[in-house]
Amino acid sequence: NAGVMQNPRHLVRRRGQEARLRCSPMKGHSHVYWYRQLPEEGLKFMVYLQKENIIDESGMPKERFSAEFPKEGPSILRIQQVVRGDSAAYFCASGRRGVRNEQFFGPGTRLTVL
Amino acid sequence: AQTVTQSQPEMSVQEAETVTLSCTYDTSESDYYLFWYKQPPSRQMILVIRQEAYKQQNATENRFSVNFQKAAKSFSLKISDSQLGDAAMYFCASLTQGGSEKLVFGKGTKLTVNP
Repeated sequence: NAGVMQNPRHLVRRRGQEARLRCSPMKGHSHVYWYRQLPEEGLKFMVYLQKENIIDESGMPKERFSAEFPKEGPSILRIQQVVRGDSAAYFCASGRRGVRNEQFFGPGTRLTVL
Repeated sequence: AQTVTQSQPEMSVQEAETVTLSCTYDTSESDYYLFWYKQPPSRQMILVIRQEAYKQQNATENRFSVNFQKAAKSFSLKISDSQLGDAAMYFCASLTQGGSEKLVFGKGTKLTVNP
């Protein structure tokens, strides 16, 4: 029973490029959450998605960031025109419908913007 | 809005001793969940223990236990018989029942275990 999968584990981009981060939830999980961890900080919520729906995007920056969770395939967090301040670890977590008190985390993607 | 505060940026403990990590939180909700996560150098977030606010009994998982003081909004983690593998960042987090699904994290406590 594979856990939450994230790829790539490390991603290097130059300023102005696009970054795409992928997250495959655990089998049977239909909820996906994205969090960002800046250096020396705790995790900060970005967005909560269910299949084909964005439920809560209150933590997403207004520009350049978008997320999707299509009917088939992984959830994607997309950052356009990256800047140095986007350098961080991005974590995905998944959960089950109707179970509010558990979120299982993936290993994270460390994004470095040069 | 929910907030979670961890007032100890760093803590250290001798191997086999006991250490307590502090956490306070603020919420206007009556029903919520509290969590402690461990983040070792690999950066994987590992759930250590969770507590449901409506349960008065403190949660326990092997060497890990919590002291949940609902009135004081305090949720400390006690690690007994500390082991070298316990060295990590520890994050306290809350989740409100009936509200958004998002976890709110504290800034973390770095725990060092000395042999």
